[in-house]
Amino acid sequence: AQTVTQSQPEMSVQEAETVTLSCTYDTSESDYYLFWYKQPPSRQMILVIRQEAYKQQNATENRFSVNFQKAAKSFSLKISDSQLGDAAMYFCAYRSFGFGNEKLTFGTGTRLTIIP
Amino acid sequence: DGGITQSPKYLFRKEGQNVTLSCEQNLNHDAMYWYRQDPGQGLRLIYYSQIVNDFQKGDIAEGYSVSREKKESFPLTVTSAQKNPTAFYLCASSPGLVYTDTQYFGPGTRLTVL
Repeated sequence: AQTVTQSQPEMSVQEAETVTLSCTYDTSESDYYLFWYKQPPSRQMILVIRQEAYKQQNATENRFSVNFQKAAKSFSLKISDSQLGDAAMYFCAYRSFGFGNEKLTFGTGTRLTIIP
Repeated sequence: DGGITQSPKYLFRKEGQNVTLSCEQNLNHDAMYWYRQDPGQGLRLIYYSQIVNDFQKGDIAEGYSVSREKKESFPLTVTSAQKNPTAFYLCASSPGLVYTDTQYFGPGTRLTVL
């Protein structure tokens, strides 16, 4: 079974600065997807970014980018130019590749605080 | 305006009662999911459905039941057999049988047992 570990329960960053959230995972599969979801105080889960394991290029979405290290099984999220609206819980998630493997396996989350 | 709706936002249940949580989507997605979130934990999968009239158990299905009679709807019933039902419940959907990699979530329902 796959596991996802987020070793930083809480992080804080000054507004406009850059912060990196860590995520490691354990799997014996070669093809899979990785995701970062954001959960603001409203508690709705919002997709931030996704990475396909077969792609070597790191995914980016505006101020959000990932550092995907497949051999190390590491998938960190970098948030540049942090804004007050980035304050939330961030969850890393894993999904196996292919039909019939729909389950998302989540880490325990990192609470990000933005300091004005 | 496409999206996933869940109702009610807050739900209170007495011991021994069954309650049903609603999840509706107008995204024309084939697959739908139910997750449970407890404090300090990530989400755990309860049930999922890839197509109408079919569904599979997730990791923590005991004490829960679902139905999928319409593509748009995937209600979750929390039965009296669920020993610790107080939690936050999230419904999600994903596009379909061919391209099912990204799940989109509804706003959630907070269930409290009195």
